[in-house]
Amino acid sequence: DAGITQSPRHKVTETGTPVTLRCHQTENHRYMYWYRQDPGHGLRLIHYSYGVKDTDKGEVSDGYSVSRSKTEDFLLTLESATSSQTSVYFCAITPDRVGYTFGSGTRLTVV
Amino acid sequence: KNEVEQSPQNLTAQEGEFITINCSYSVGISALHWLQQHPGGGIVSLFMLSSGKKKHGRLIATINIQEKHSSLHITASHPRDSAVYICAADNTDKLIFGTGTRLQVFP
Repeated sequence: DAGITQSPRHKVTETGTPVTLRCHQTENHRYMYWYRQDPGHGLRLIHYSYGVKDTDKGEVSDGYSVSRSKTEDFLLTLESATSSQTSVYFCAITPDRVGYTFGSGTRLTVV
Repeated sequence: KNEVEQSPQNLTAQEGEFITINCSYSVGISALHWLQQHPGGGIVSLFMLSSGKKKHGRLIATINIQEKHSSLHITASHPRDSAVYICAADNTDKLIFGTGTRLQVFP
């Protein structure tokens, strides 16, 4: 198995509610990333982590926060979901920023 | 202008045809990645290359660093190759993705 799991796989939520997506890995990789994928755009980086409690912003970080309290879990939180955050979210991991493994994605719909 | 451009955006082929997908980039890179995404599915890494050529089964990836261009070739294409193919420039501290090429192979 790939060693990376995203949950939930699908979620529908209402505007203004908080939402947390989880990325879980069993590979003990140092780096973890959250991307969003939208039609007409390539995957865009939201936030990434280079170690426990070490995170940084990507190009589309507004409206998102992250936490990494354990090596294996990287959480993405939408504090107050908006319709513009309807997207497919992918997590990726890498031990060394050379080879990347991607999760299966979370399809989030904000209504 | 996007830093990573792919062409064509959409590609239709008959089973058995030779397929070429192109990727041009305008940033400095340490490597170039080719990824595959099946409909509704996750993303799988196919190749990572920093020079020359790599081959895996019916897939071949090439890169010309001087021209900032990479190609992905599929020989003897099959309907199961139908997917979106994405190139990503590895800009040392981040990946910059193209928008993908949607390939449909018909029997």
